[in-house]
Amino acid sequence: DAGVIQSPRHEVTEMGQEVTLRCKPISGHDYLFWYRQTMMRGLELLIYFNNNVPIDDSGMPEDRFSAKMPNASFSTLKIQPSEPRDSAVYFCASSLAGTGNSDTQYFGPGTRLTVL
Amino acid sequence: GDSVTQMEGPVTLSEEAFLTINCTYTATGYPSLFWYVQYPGEGLQLLLKATKADDKGSNKGFEATYRKETTSFHLEKGSVQVSDSAVYFCALQNRPGGNEKLTFGTGTRLTIIP
Repeated sequence: DAGVIQSPRHEVTEMGQEVTLRCKPISGHDYLFWYRQTMMRGLELLIYFNNNVPIDDSGMPEDRFSAKMPNASFSTLKIQPSEPRDSAVYFCASSLAGTGNSDTQYFGPGTRLTVL
Repeated sequence: GDSVTQMEGPVTLSEEAFLTINCTYTATGYPSLFWYVQYPGEGLQLLLKATKADDKGSNKGFEATYRKETTSFHLEKGSVQVSDSAVYFCALQNRPGGNEKLTFGTGTRLTIIP
């Protein structure tokens, strides 16, 4: 049973380049989340989708960041242009909305981004 | 807004020691509470959760009880192992408010020495 799949696992790029991170959620899940993890700021929610529609993008740092979910099985997070301060581990997570008052989020292995 | 405060790390213990990692929260309504664990080089995975006051979540020898009166959800384990070395995150979800977001604490790095 495949979990959340992210690619690439590692990305090294130079300042000013465009970076695209990819995520495949668990099949059947209707929520998808993008997080960023750094030593200084910990784990931050960037944006999340429900049924492919962005619900809350208040955590997206600035216009250089954009996220899309063209279908239920694929999402991208794009940084253009990238800057050294974007260096972090980016996680994708997915969940299935239930009828209870909590849902478990399942995380992918993350993409470690280094911007030189 | 909602927030989670957890014990600053790092925490270093000897094998078979007793573990407590403190977590307190601030939230409106009746949030659900979680502990996630992150092993080196991996994503976060759910360790345990509790969805209402006085619920006890448990898994792999870890336990945490949802205490509404003290707004706490402290993680405990009676006898830690080297394999428990990881970063532990406390989190809350205020889903009855219509929000699927998880609000995380800053994480506590735990190292167990043989």
